[in-house]
Amino acid sequence: QQQVKQSPQSLIVQKGGISIINCAYENTAFDYFPWYQQFPGKGPALLIAIRPDVSEKKEGRFTISFNKSAKQFSLHIMDSQPGDSATYFCAAQSSGGSYIPTFGRGTSLIVHP
Amino acid sequence: GAVVSQHPSRVICKSGTSVKIECRSLDFQATTMFWYRQFPKQSLMLMATSNEGSKATYEQGVEKDKFLINHASLTLSTLTVTSAHPEDSSFYICSARDGSRDGETQYFGPGTRLLVL
Repeated sequence: QQQVKQSPQSLIVQKGGISIINCAYENTAFDYFPWYQQFPGKGPALLIAIRPDVSEKKEGRFTISFNKSAKQFSLHIMDSQPGDSATYFCAAQSSGGSYIPTFGRGTSLIVHP
Repeated sequence: GAVVSQHPSRVICKSGTSVKIECRSLDFQATTMFWYRQFPKQSLMLMATSNEGSKATYEQGVEKDKFLINHASLTLSTLTVTSAHPEDSSFYICSARDGSRDGETQYFGPGTRLLVL
Protein backbone atom coordinates (compact mmCIF):
# COMPACT_ATOMS: atom_id res chain seq x y z
CA GLN A 1 0.00 0.00 0.00
CA GLN A 2 1.51 3.24 -1.14
CA GLN A 3 0.72 5.81 1.49
CA VAL A 4 2.37 8.72 -0.32
CA LYS A 5 1.69 9.07 -4.01
CA GLN A 6 4.07 11.23 -5.99
CA SER A 7 3.76 12.53 -9.53
CA PRO A 8 5.02 12.91 -12.13
CA GLN A 9 7.60 10.15 -12.28
CA SER A 10 9.77 12.28 -14.53
CA LEU A 11 9.76 15.92 -15.50
CA ILE A 12 11.62 17.92 -18.13
CA VAL A 13 11.73 21.69 -17.80
CA GLN A 14 13.53 24.43 -19.65
CA LYS A 15 15.95 26.65 -17.78
CA GLY A 16 14.06 29.46 -16.10
CA GLY A 17 10.80 27.55 -16.03
CA ILE A 18 8.77 26.35 -13.05
CA SER A 19 9.03 22.74 -11.92
CA ILE A 20 6.04 21.37 -10.04
CA ILE A 21 5.95 18.04 -8.25
CA ASN A 22 2.85 16.81 -6.48
CA CYS A 23 2.27 14.43 -3.60
CA ALA A 24 -0.81 13.07 -1.90
CA TYR A 25 -1.06 11.19 1.35
CA GLU A 26 -3.68 9.07 3.05
CA ASN A 27 -2.71 8.88 6.71
CA THR A 28 -4.18 11.83 8.60
CA ALA A 29 -1.71 11.22 11.43
CA PHE A 30 1.11 12.57 9.26
CA ASP A 31 2.19 15.96 10.54
CA TYR A 32 5.58 16.61 8.98
CA PHE A 33 6.24 16.75 5.26
CA PRO A 34 9.85 17.01 4.07
CA TRP A 35 11.18 17.11 0.54
CA TYR A 36 14.52 15.56 -0.29
CA GLN A 37 16.83 16.16 -3.22
CA GLN A 38 19.08 13.36 -4.40
CA PHE A 39 21.85 13.58 -6.98
CA PRO A 40 23.08 10.40 -8.72
CA GLY A 41 25.29 8.31 -6.47
CA LYS A 42 24.62 10.49 -3.43
CA GLY A 43 22.40 10.27 -0.40
CA PRO A 44 19.23 12.36 -0.16
CA ALA A 45 19.50 15.82 1.33
CA LEU A 46 16.72 17.70 3.05
CA LEU A 47 15.53 20.50 0.81
CA ILE A 48 12.57 22.02 2.60
CA ALA A 49 9.88 20.83 4.98
CA ILE A 50 6.45 21.94 6.13
CA ARG A 51 4.06 21.26 8.96
CA PRO A 52 0.27 21.26 8.45
CA ASP A 53 -0.33 24.45 10.42
CA VAL A 54 0.79 26.53 7.43
CA SER A 55 -0.34 26.43 3.82
CA GLU A 56 2.88 27.55 2.22
CA LYS A 57 6.57 27.72 2.96
CA LYS A 58 9.17 29.38 0.80
CA GLU A 59 12.93 29.08 0.89
CA GLY A 60 14.67 30.82 -1.95
CA ARG A 61 13.46 29.36 -5.23
CA PHE A 62 11.75 26.44 -3.50
CA THR A 63 8.18 26.61 -2.24
CA ILE A 64 5.97 23.99 -0.63
CA SER A 65 2.23 24.40 -0.96
CA PHE A 66 0.14 22.39 1.47
CA ASN A 67 -3.58 21.59 1.29
CA LYS A 68 -4.60 19.83 4.48
CA SER A 69 -8.21 19.20 3.51
CA ALA A 70 -7.19 17.60 0.22
CA LYS A 71 -4.25 15.83 1.84
CA GLN A 72 -1.97 17.08 -0.87
CA PHE A 73 1.28 19.00 -0.98
CA SER A 74 3.51 20.12 -3.78
CA LEU A 75 6.99 21.42 -4.45
CA HIS A 76 7.48 24.36 -6.77
CA ILE A 77 10.93 25.21 -8.09
CA MET A 78 10.96 28.68 -9.54
CA ASP A 79 13.49 29.77 -12.16
CA SER A 80 14.65 26.16 -12.56
CA GLN A 81 18.34 25.72 -13.27
CA PRO A 82 20.33 22.84 -14.81
CA GLY A 83 21.91 22.34 -11.38
CA ASP A 84 18.46 21.48 -10.05
CA SER A 85 18.47 18.33 -12.17
CA ALA A 86 18.10 15.55 -9.61
CA THR A 87 15.59 13.15 -8.15
CA TYR A 88 13.14 14.64 -5.69
CA PHE A 89 11.35 12.65 -3.03
CA CYS A 90 8.45 13.84 -0.96
CA ALA A 91 7.88 12.23 2.39
CA ALA A 92 5.41 12.25 5.23
CA GLN A 93 5.84 11.24 8.82
CA SER A 94 4.11 11.31 12.16
CA SER A 95 5.71 12.87 15.21
CA GLY A 96 3.63 10.62 17.37
CA GLY A 97 5.32 7.56 16.01
CA SER A 98 8.90 6.66 15.40
CA TYR A 99 9.69 9.59 13.09
CA ILE A 100 10.09 7.19 10.18
CA PRO A 101 9.23 8.93 6.92
CA THR A 102 7.09 7.34 4.28
CA PHE A 103 8.62 8.26 0.94
CA GLY A 104 7.03 8.89 -2.39
CA ARG A 105 8.45 7.04 -5.39
CA GLY A 106 10.48 10.01 -6.54
CA THR A 107 10.49 12.40 -9.49
CA SER A 108 13.41 12.62 -11.85
CA LEU A 109 13.79 16.26 -12.87
CA ILE A 110 15.84 17.32 -15.86
CA VAL A 111 16.33 21.02 -16.50
CA HIS A 112 17.55 21.75 -20.00
CA PRO A 113 19.91 24.71 -20.47
CA GLY B 1 25.77 21.12 11.07
CA ALA B 2 24.09 17.70 11.09
CA VAL B 3 26.56 15.81 8.96
CA VAL B 4 26.39 12.06 8.51
CA SER B 5 29.25 10.12 6.96
CA GLN B 6 29.41 6.62 5.56
CA HIS B 7 32.37 4.39 4.91
CA PRO B 8 33.23 2.95 2.51
CA SER B 9 31.60 4.90 -0.30
CA ARG B 10 31.80 1.88 -2.55
CA VAL B 11 32.87 -1.72 -2.14
CA ILE B 12 33.28 -4.66 -4.45
CA CYS B 13 33.44 -8.10 -2.91
CA LYS B 14 33.24 -11.73 -3.84
CA SER B 15 30.13 -13.78 -3.24
CA GLY B 16 30.15 -15.38 0.20
CA THR B 17 32.17 -12.71 1.96
CA SER B 18 30.89 -10.28 4.58
CA VAL B 19 30.93 -6.53 4.21
CA LYS B 20 30.71 -3.94 6.96
CA ILE B 21 29.41 -0.43 6.34
CA GLU B 22 29.89 2.30 8.94
CA CYS B 23 27.58 5.23 9.52
CA ARG B 24 28.70 8.12 11.71
CA SER B 25 27.03 11.28 12.89
CA LEU B 26 29.87 13.79 12.91
CA ASP B 27 28.52 16.75 14.84
CA PHE B 28 25.57 15.47 16.79
CA GLN B 29 24.47 12.51 18.84
CA ALA B 30 22.10 10.29 16.96
CA THR B 31 19.48 8.77 19.20
CA THR B 32 18.18 6.77 16.29
CA MET B 33 19.78 5.63 13.07
CA PHE B 34 18.10 4.13 10.06
CA TRP B 35 19.35 1.91 7.27
CA TYR B 36 17.88 2.07 3.80
CA ARG B 37 18.40 0.22 0.59
CA GLN B 38 17.85 1.81 -2.79
CA PHE B 39 17.69 0.13 -6.18
CA PRO B 40 18.30 2.13 -9.36
CA LYS B 41 15.56 4.62 -10.15
CA GLN B 42 13.57 3.56 -7.12
CA SER B 43 12.67 5.07 -3.79
CA LEU B 44 14.34 4.36 -0.47
CA MET B 45 13.34 1.15 1.24
CA LEU B 46 13.72 1.15 5.01
CA MET B 47 15.56 -1.94 6.21
CA ALA B 48 15.85 -1.35 9.92
CA THR B 49 15.81 1.17 12.74
CA SER B 50 18.44 1.11 15.43
CA ASN B 51 18.62 2.83 18.76
CA GLU B 52 21.86 3.14 20.67
CA GLY B 53 22.40 0.22 23.01
CA SER B 54 19.42 -1.81 21.93
CA LYS B 55 18.58 -4.32 19.25
CA ALA B 56 17.61 -3.07 15.84
CA THR B 57 14.04 -3.26 14.64
CA TYR B 58 13.87 -4.82 11.20
CA GLU B 59 11.21 -4.17 8.60
CA GLN B 60 9.13 -7.02 7.35
CA GLY B 61 10.98 -9.14 4.83
CA VAL B 62 14.46 -8.05 5.91
CA GLU B 63 16.56 -10.92 7.23
CA LYS B 64 18.12 -9.86 10.53
CA ASP B 65 20.71 -12.65 10.35
CA LYS B 66 21.69 -11.47 6.90
CA PHE B 67 21.91 -7.79 7.69
CA LEU B 68 23.50 -7.35 11.10
CA ILE B 69 23.12 -3.93 12.65
CA ASN B 70 25.08 -2.65 15.61
CA HIS B 71 24.49 0.76 17.15
CA ALA B 72 27.35 0.78 19.62
CA SER B 73 27.40 4.48 20.41
CA LEU B 74 25.41 7.64 19.85
CA THR B 75 27.56 8.48 16.85
CA LEU B 76 28.17 5.12 15.17
CA SER B 77 26.04 2.43 13.63
CA THR B 78 27.28 -0.41 11.47
CA LEU B 79 25.56 -2.61 8.92
CA THR B 80 27.18 -5.93 8.12
CA VAL B 81 26.01 -7.80 5.07
CA THR B 82 26.87 -11.40 5.87
CA SER B 83 27.64 -13.98 3.20
CA ALA B 84 26.90 -11.46 0.49
CA HIS B 85 25.41 -12.62 -2.81
CA PRO B 86 24.99 -10.78 -6.11
CA GLU B 87 21.35 -10.00 -5.28
CA ASP B 88 22.59 -7.98 -2.29
CA SER B 89 24.24 -5.54 -4.69
CA SER B 90 22.59 -2.21 -4.07
CA PHE B 91 23.00 1.32 -2.74
CA TYR B 92 22.86 1.35 1.05
CA ILE B 93 22.11 4.62 2.80
CA CYS B 94 22.01 5.40 6.49
CA SER B 95 20.31 8.30 8.18
CA ALA B 96 20.34 9.66 11.69
CA ARG B 97 17.91 11.56 13.83
CA ASP B 98 19.16 14.22 16.20
CA GLY B 99 17.15 13.84 19.36
CA SER B 100 18.45 17.09 20.80
CA ARG B 101 16.89 19.14 18.01
CA ASP B 102 13.37 18.94 16.69
CA GLY B 103 13.86 15.24 16.13
CA GLU B 104 11.74 15.28 13.03
CA THR B 105 14.49 15.67 10.50
CA GLN B 106 16.55 12.78 9.26
CA TYR B 107 20.04 13.50 8.04
CA PHE B 108 21.25 11.13 5.38
CA GLY B 109 24.71 9.81 4.70
CA PRO B 110 26.21 9.86 1.22
CA GLY B 111 25.50 6.18 0.66
CA THR B 112 27.56 3.06 0.01
CA ARG B 113 27.52 1.31 -3.33
CA LEU B 114 27.90 -2.45 -2.84
CA LEU B 115 28.70 -4.72 -5.76
CA VAL B 116 28.87 -8.44 -5.10
CA LEU B 117 30.54 -10.47 -7.81
